[in-house]
This record gives sequence, C-alpha cells and structure tokens, in this order.
Amino acid sequence: KAGVTQTPRYLIKTRGQQVTLSCSPISGHRSVSWYQQTPGQGLQFLFEYFSETQRNKGNFPGRFSGRQFSNSRSEMNVSTLELGDSALYLCASSLEVAGRTDTQYFGPGTRLTVL
Amino acid sequence: GENVEQHPSTLSVQEGDSAVIKCTYSDSASNYFPWYKQELGKRPQLIIDIRSNVGEKKDQRIAVTLNKTAKHFSLHITETQPEDSAVYFCAASYDLNTDKLIFGTGTRLQVFP
Repeated sequence: KAGVTQTPRYLIKTRGQQVTLSCSPISGHRSVSWYQQTPGQGLQFLFEYFSETQRNKGNFPGRFSGRQFSNSRSEMNVSTLELGDSALYLCASSLEVAGRTDTQYFGPGTRLTVL
Repeated sequence: GENVEQHPSTLSVQEGDSAVIKCTYSDSASNYFPWYKQELGKRPQLIIDIRSNVGEKKDQRIAVTLNKTAKHFSLHITETQPEDSAVYFCAASYDLNTDKLIFGTGTRLQVFP
C-alpha cells in the first residue's frame, strides 16, 4: 500500500497570507491527525478528523482549521500567517479501531516558511 | 494536565553499546505508548509501541518497558549501529476515544563507529 502523502512538500508564504495543506491517508485508513513540528516546541497536536468530523483539537488559535472529505483525505488551512507559523506540518493516518488509540503512520510533511 | 517528559535530550554511544531513553507521562488515562524514529529531513517512523496491558515488548534489538504504577516507559536499543543515529520521540495516548498523541521533546542519539 502507498504510504501517507502530503502536498505540497514545501511552501514559502509571506505574513498575512493564508495557506492550505493537503493529506492523503493510507488506503483504508479513516482517521487523520495533524501535528506541527518546530525545533523549539517539538511535535504538537493540531487536530484529528474521523468520518468528516473534528474529533479533537489542540491548543492552537482559530487561524488553524481543517476538514476531512468523504474519501478520508484531509486539508488544513492557516489564515493570516505569522512568522511563528513556520514549521513542518505532519499528518498521520490510522485505521481507526473503536475503543482504542490506533497506530499512526506519518506523512513526509509540508515545510512551511513564512517570510 | 497532559505532559510527557523525555530524557536525555542527547545521547552519544559507541557502536555496539546499548542506549536507553526514558519517558514519564502524567495522565493516568494514557494506555498506548509508541516510539518514533526520525532521521534528518524524513518523516517520523514507528519503531515499536506498547499498550498498557503489557509490561515489555521486544523486536530484535529494540525493546520497550512500561511501568504503569510509576507512569514511565523506556526504549532500549542493544548492539547499536551507526544507522541507529536519529532523533527518537516517545509519545503517550490522550484517551481511548481519540488518536491524539502527546509527544516527548525528543532524544538525539549519535552512534559513533
């Protein structure tokens, strides 16, 4: 099976702009989570989607949003970009087994640079 | 609150030696503990995981131990090789009904030939 894919791999934006990142999970996986990775803060949970519904959200401002489509693909959006949003954005997918935290597999990430 | 502490932040060992990385979690509801290896410029890759109904799990040179009472778990790598050099992250699950993971801050392991 193909792994988790993310597009684009690299993005350069300026402050105030908005950006949309895309994630395609492993075939058959129904849950998608997003994480922000920075040298200073490590890996921080952004949000999780299952069955097109946001199931959990991390402590990020409302400028960060996401959605999931019926084919389990997910997008995240960041509006009014700030310098501090520069990071590697990783998505992870899992099969989704009811009643337990499932094994997650990460995509290669999107490297966002805000100038 | 949800928190995972990871130590040490850097670890240097000679090829063939063992390496141990330790993590402590705060939430009693956590019941799933994966370990990820991230090489420079690459995605985190799952190397081993353990659930709270098990005390130890091994996979060739890698093992993980879990002490639920003390709320800590450890990664053990034996007979280290230069290709083991990477950043290792521990994580703990948030609760049963979500895949949300709380990550430790990472350990940079360097294995010298």
